[in-house]
Amino acid sequence: LAKTTQPISMDSYEGQEVNITCSHNNIATNDYITWYQQFPSQGPRFIIQGYKTKVTNEVASLFIPADRKSSTLSLPRVSLSDTAVYYCLVGDPGGTYKYIFGTGTRLKVLA
Amino acid sequence: ETGVTQTPRHLVMGMTNKKSLKCEQHLGHNAMYWYKQSAKKPLELMFVYSLEERVENNSVPSRFSPECPNSSHLFLHLHTLQPEDSALYLCASSQEGVPYEQYFGPGTRLTVT
Repeated sequence: LAKTTQPISMDSYEGQEVNITCSHNNIATNDYITWYQQFPSQGPRFIIQGYKTKVTNEVASLFIPADRKSSTLSLPRVSLSDTAVYYCLVGDPGGTYKYIFGTGTRLKVLA
Repeated sequence: ETGVTQTPRHLVMGMTNKKSLKCEQHLGHNAMYWYKQSAKKPLELMFVYSLEERVENNSVPSRFSPECPNSSHLFLHLHTLQPEDSALYLCASSQEGVPYEQYFGPGTRLTVT
């Protein structure tokens, strides 16, 4: 399983764009990159998933460079309610159920 | 509301008690998961069931015993727990073939006294 590295914490202000980068140097050919969000005392929530280039949905964008050794989750115009822990996961959807959540990035949005 | 429910939401039990946690999913999924989340620690995957067969068991102590009677229900039977087992226990489900998109329940906050 590919190991991921993320910053432990980030602070931002309301209305700003936030970019959280995840490093996964030993990502395998069949691996996909997935991001989750977790609020305190709740289960994680799936945000976005991608394989390469750019993926966008109503919540976030995911940027993956050609070498796929890193990925960036982009949250446009954050609000206080985006304060949460964000997890980057890497795995082969056809080969494993075991996705390692790691310690994640604790994002704090300030007024 | 994610379509995954867990009961009870809070549980306090002594070390000699036997209790069970219940998870139910209303999403038509056929894979279900148990995770443990201790304070200030990452989520730890405990068990995975796919099509009612256990496919992952992450070296979990035998005092935790899972049961998956059908694709909509998952139980975690607890007995002779230790205080360090106090944690948030999360259930999740996914569609077969899409394990990266898991839907989590709200969790059961377990305290072992």
